[in-house]
Amino acid sequence: KAGVTQTPRYLIKTRGQQVTLSCSPISGHRSVSWYQQTPGQGLQFLFEYFSETQRNKGNFPGRFSGRQFSNSRSEMNVSTLELGDSALYLCASSLEGTTTDTQYFGPGTRLTVL
Amino acid sequence: LAKTTQPISMDSYEGQEVNITCSHNNIATNDYITWYQQFPSQGPRFIIQGYKTKVTNEVASLFIPADRKSSTLSLPRVSLSDTAVYYCLVVLNQAGTALIFGKGTTLSVSS
Repeated sequence: KAGVTQTPRYLIKTRGQQVTLSCSPISGHRSVSWYQQTPGQGLQFLFEYFSETQRNKGNFPGRFSGRQFSNSRSEMNVSTLELGDSALYLCASSLEGTTTDTQYFGPGTRLTVL
Repeated sequence: LAKTTQPISMDSYEGQEVNITCSHNNIATNDYITWYQQFPSQGPRFIIQGYKTKVTNEVASLFIPADRKSSTLSLPRVSLSDTAVYYCLVVLNQAGTALIFGKGTTLSVSS
């Protein structure tokens, strides 16, 4: 079974631009979560989607948004990029997103903002 | 939200057993304890999850005392490839997942 895939793997943008990252969950998984990882703040939860609805949201500004499609694929968008948005963005999927569901992480998208 | 505390770093040699302890004093009754492993520039990988007493799988054991205020991840006979960051998480028993990661423990295994 294929794992979680994220595209693109690397991205370079400049301040003020916007970016869209894509995540394809494991087949059959309906919950998709997004995380940001930086050296300073570590791994931080952004949001979770289930059945095309945002079910949980972390403490990030409104510039960070996401959506989920009917096939469970998910995208996250960051508008008006800032230097501090440079990070590894990780997507994770699970069957239903319950407490005991195992979260499977993708390899991440490395975003660099210049 | 239950906060976790674990050592920042640990050193070990190949073949030794490594025990990483995590404290979570204000864990709620229905919360679960989960451990993840992360290698540089990769996403975290699930290791083990438990609620109480002892859980064992093919890679690790998780010991949780009766008061559940701490837990210990045990890695038997570590190898160089076990060098990674290990995260202890308290997973809220709620609809939907929001994994809250702490700083983790950097385990360095040498020969």
